Amino acid sequence: AQSVTQLDSHVSVSEGTPVLLRCNYSSSYSPSLFWYVQHPNKGLQLLLKYTSAATLVKGINGFEAEFKKSETSFHLTKPSAHMSDAAEYFCVVSDPQGGGNKLTFGTGTQLKVEL
Amino acid sequence: DTAVSQTPKYLVTQMGNDKSIKCEQNLGHDTMYWYKQDSKKFLKIMFSYNNKELIINETVPNRFSPKSPDKAHLNLHINSLELGDSAVYFCASSQAGGGVSTDTQYFGPGTRLTVL
Repeated sequence: AQSVTQLDSHVSVSEGTPVLLRCNYSSSYSPSLFWYVQHPNKGLQLLLKYTSAATLVKGINGFEAEFKKSETSFHLTKPSAHMSDAAEYFCVVSDPQGGGNKLTFGTGTQLKVEL
Repeated sequence: DTAVSQTPKYLVTQMGNDKSIKCEQNLGHDTMYWYKQDSKKFLKIMFSYNNKELIINETVPNRFSPKSPDKAHLNLHINSLELGDSAVYFCASSQAGGGVSTDTQYFGPGTRLTVL
C-alpha cells in the first residue's frame, strides 16, 4: 500500500522568509503525488500535483515541489511566505482503484506565518 | 458558480438520530467521493461512486449508506448517529472514469456534523 509521511506537524515562519514543508512517500511504483491546502473552516484546494512529466512542479500562489525518487521525497517550498499562506497543508498519494482514485492523506502540517 | 456543493454546512443532532448530507457537482465529472476528517484533521476516504456505481467502499460502519441518484449527486445517509460520528465530511469529484492516478479531485466546502 502507498503512504505518505509529513515530517512536521507544525511549521512557523516569519512573513517574507522561505517555507519548507516536508513529505516522504512510500510506494512500490512511481506514485502520483499531490499537495492540498486547507484554510481554516474551508474545503481543500489543490496546490500542485506530480504526474511524472517533470520532477519540479509549480503550483498556485508561488508554491512548488520537487519529486526526488532517490530520497522518496516530495517537499513543498515557497521562496517568501505571506500571511495568507497560514493554513493546513496535506501531502497526498493517489492509488487508482476501479473507476476512481483512492487518495491517502498525510497527517497534515499546520503552517503559521508571523509578522 | 460553486463546483462542488454540500448541504448543510453545519449539522447538530442527537445520538440515535438519522441524518443525510447532500452533495452536488456541476463539473460534469464521472466520479464522486466521500471523505471524513476527524478532530485531529486526519482525512480518510469512505466511499467512491463512478457513474452511479459504488467502486470504493472502505471499512465504514454499515450505518453509513451512500446513494447516487445520478452522476452529479452523491448523498450520504447516516443511521443511528453516534458520538464518534462527529467530524467534518467532505464530498469530492474527479473527471476520469478509468481510475487515472493523476486525476485531480475537487472538494466541497465540508459539512461539520456534531452529535450530542
